[in-house]
Amino acid sequence: QKEVEQNSGPLSVPEGAIASLNCTYSDRGSQSFFWYRQYSGKSPELIMFIYSNGDKEDGRFTAQLNKASQYVSLLIRDSQPSDSATYLCAVKGSGNDMRFGAGTRLTVKP
Amino acid sequence: EAQVTQNPRYLITVTGKKLTVTCSQNMNHEYMSWYRQDPGLGLRQIYYSMNVEVTDKGDVPEGYKVSRKEKRNFPLILESPSPNQTSLYFCASRPTGTGSEAFFGQGTRLTVV
Repeated sequence: QKEVEQNSGPLSVPEGAIASLNCTYSDRGSQSFFWYRQYSGKSPELIMFIYSNGDKEDGRFTAQLNKASQYVSLLIRDSQPSDSATYLCAVKGSGNDMRFGAGTRLTVKP
Repeated sequence: EAQVTQNPRYLITVTGKKLTVTCSQNMNHEYMSWYRQDPGLGLRQIYYSMNVEVTDKGDVPEGYKVSRKEKRNFPLILESPSPNQTSLYFCASRPTGTGSEAFFGQGTRLTVV
């Protein structure tokens, strides 16, 4: 069974701090990695994707991928209360399947 | 406006009564899929479709059917719903050339009593 694992949280950080969200996956053939943000009662929203080892930055968000360790992370700098949401890690394998982690709930306290 | 539209948004039904949740996208995407989301389990893929008349099972296909007769529509059919199908359902579509479902529908909250 191909798995995507995330800490469920909740993860609580003060406003302005860096939030670090982690994800591990079991399928070594995985090629594409994604982070979605989901506000309560809303649909998931794609915020970052990464295909190659290393870091990818987009504004306050940085995605990090280490295929050897089967590990992908999301850093949110200067966290804002509006970043409070559940963050879903998604992994696309060598086929057409897309697997999601259960999500990490982030709370940013003013 | 580019969007994925699901209907209905909320549905309460009784065990065994056939129902259909519709999904339509206006972006000419080839890939469409259905997920269910349950607390602590994340998003689990039910079925997906790579193109018209091409569908395949995801992780949790039991009790569900789909069809893809037109590119824009991908309905989810529950022939005989049971209480364990009570869940939040999402339809999603993506363009070719990228690796993810970039667009999700608004979700359908289904309760089977």
